[in-house]
Amino acid sequence: QKEVEQDPGPLSVPEGAIVSLNCTYSNSAFQYFMWYRQYSRKGPELLMYTYSSGNKEDGRFTAQVDKSSKYISLFIRDSQPSDSATYLCAMSYWAGGYNKLIFGAGTRLAVHP
Amino acid sequence: ETGVTQTPRHLVMGMTNKKSLKCEQHLGHNAMYWYKQSAKKPLELMFVYSLEERVENNSVPSRFSPECPNSSHLFLHLHTLQPEDSALYLCASSQDPENTEAFFGQGTRLTVV
Repeated sequence: QKEVEQDPGPLSVPEGAIVSLNCTYSNSAFQYFMWYRQYSRKGPELLMYTYSSGNKEDGRFTAQVDKSSKYISLFIRDSQPSDSATYLCAMSYWAGGYNKLIFGAGTRLAVHP
Repeated sequence: ETGVTQTPRHLVMGMTNKKSLKCEQHLGHNAMYWYKQSAKKPLELMFVYSLEERVENNSVPSRFSPECPNSSHLFLHLHTLQPEDSALYLCASSQDPENTEAFFGQGTRLTVV
């Protein structure tokens, strides 16, 4: 079983749709939860960063963490064609000397006009 | 320049060649990382450096040799690679190894022929 499971998609939605991206995990030691966005031929960029269970909102993006279910989500409201990218969930735990990031495989999102 | 810069952006090398990837960060961070991103696979952590000292070698074959001469520069020396080593190699940095907010470069697309 992988430590982090993420549906690879691709996910295709019309402009203006609400998008829901999800990851599940198995390691209870994960403490920090992140979402990265990666455009084609670019490196990942950090979108959202959360520590505790609950919701965190930033503009059109909402990150949700449910530690009891080992489940995290990213919601994108009023999706735009510029949101078309691969979204990577990531989680970290203390590996002795550093916080180790474990990534999901990424979900490819296409928002069409 | 700002952020994390990687050179070259693309590299094609034969299995008997020796080449080096370079990473430079202008963020004043103290931790730097090498990741490997293969098609449809999660990012894999390869090496972690904290203040120029290696704190993690994530079971990486010896044909990959990292070097961190100072906290702003990171190299990945490559020799006698295999075709399966073809991937996107990403450099990242964070404020310190305890901090999970990683900033990534754009990556070097490596093809081994």
